[in-house]
Amino acid sequence: QKEVEQNSGPLSVPEGAIASLNCTYSDRGSQSFFWYRQYSGKSPELIMFIYSNGDKEDGRFTAQLNKASQYVSLLIRDSQPSDSATYLCAVRREGNYGQNFVFGPGTRLSVLP
Amino acid sequence: GAVVSQHPSRVICKSGTSVKIECRSLDFQATTMFWYRQFPKQSLMLMATSNEGSKATYEQGVEKDKFLINHASLTLSTLTVTSAHPEDSSFYICSARGSPASGGYNEQFFGPGTRLTVL
Repeated sequence: QKEVEQNSGPLSVPEGAIASLNCTYSDRGSQSFFWYRQYSGKSPELIMFIYSNGDKEDGRFTAQLNKASQYVSLLIRDSQPSDSATYLCAVRREGNYGQNFVFGPGTRLSVLP
Repeated sequence: GAVVSQHPSRVICKSGTSVKIECRSLDFQATTMFWYRQFPKQSLMLMATSNEGSKATYEQGVEKDKFLINHASLTLSTLTVTSAHPEDSSFYICSARGSPASGGYNEQFFGPGTRLTVL
């Protein structure tokens, strides 16, 4: 089982709709969860992070965390064509030398005008 | 967020040559830097973690003699791909994390990446 799993997509939604991106993780001890957006040929940029169970909202983005189910999601409201990108879920864990991030394979989102 | 730069952004080299990639944190002190590699349509794969003034710790399967990492200061880490071969062609991305005192400890800030093509 991979540490962080995501549907690879592509996920296609019409402009203005809600895009729902899902992520599951295997390490029950994980405490911190991050969503990154990566445009083709570019490096990831942080959208938001969440530590506590429940919802966290930031503008059009809402992260949801359910530690019991080991599940974290990202909702994008009023999706725009500029939101078309690959979304990476990352989990922070203890690595060989302190904490590092484990990334999921990413979900490719396509917002259709 | 904090700014991390990488240089060069693109490099094309012949097989057998060595390539050095620089990663700099511009407005904070990065006690820890991470080097990732990303092949087309795949996710980021952590190669190594380096702390300033210490030897880098490499992930399983990454050859430390091939991918030399130096983190000589709190703002600079370098990755040298020695005797590069076509299979080393990839997108190399660094990220940096600050110290608890400097802030930004809970986040990783990514550089823009370096696309390496080995002919």
